[in-house]
Amino acid sequence: AQKITQTQPGMFVQEKEAVTLDCTYDTSDPSYGLFWYKQPSSGEMIFLIYQGSYDQQNATEGRYSLNFQKARKSANLVISASQLGDSAMYFCAMRDNTGRRALTFGSGTRLQVQP
Amino acid sequence: GAVVSQHPSRVICKSGTSVKIECRSLDFQATTMFWYRQFPKKSLMLMATSNEGSKATYEQGVEKDKFLINHASLTLSTLTVTSAHPEDSSFYICSADRGRGTGELFFGEGSRLTVL
Repeated sequence: AQKITQTQPGMFVQEKEAVTLDCTYDTSDPSYGLFWYKQPSSGEMIFLIYQGSYDQQNATEGRYSLNFQKARKSANLVISASQLGDSAMYFCAMRDNTGRRALTFGSGTRLQVQP
Repeated sequence: GAVVSQHPSRVICKSGTSVKIECRSLDFQATTMFWYRQFPKKSLMLMATSNEGSKATYEQGVEKDKFLINHASLTLSTLTVTSAHPEDSSFYICSADRGRGTGELFFGEGSRLTVL
């Protein structure tokens, strides 16, 4: 079974600063994908970044980067130059790439960016 | 980019009535769609996997007679909450799998159900 753990229920960051949101995972599948989603108060799930288990390099998408440490089973999200609009819930999720393609989500981290 | 549309975004109904929520993939065909439920300030929990042309696969603890799922075409899956009760009030969100590559999962806007 897959499990995602997000240990930070809430985080604060100053505008323009960088912030790291933690995510650890557990799976026995050799091939899997790791995702980060942003959920603003409107409820929509906004895809941020994806990392495949066999990817050699850490994924980056604009201000988002994923610090993938496979041996430690961690997939932390780094947001650089935080903006007020980054305030939202952030979910880490994973999916095995060979079987069921549904996502397993972590409990989420609420990020608040302060001016 | 790919878009998944969910309707209605908000619905209020009386206890005992049934409510249908639609999930459409607008510019791609989705053989598989997923239905999640989210309680306030909680994470998304997978309810069922909707497979085009076959029966849905329900997660443990999800009542299949309560939450009817129909995936009649490659672009439409519906979730019907039958005989809704106040405890069914929740945020329901679908996602569609385009099947190409490992990152191709798209979410609908979600549907907030309130049962009075």
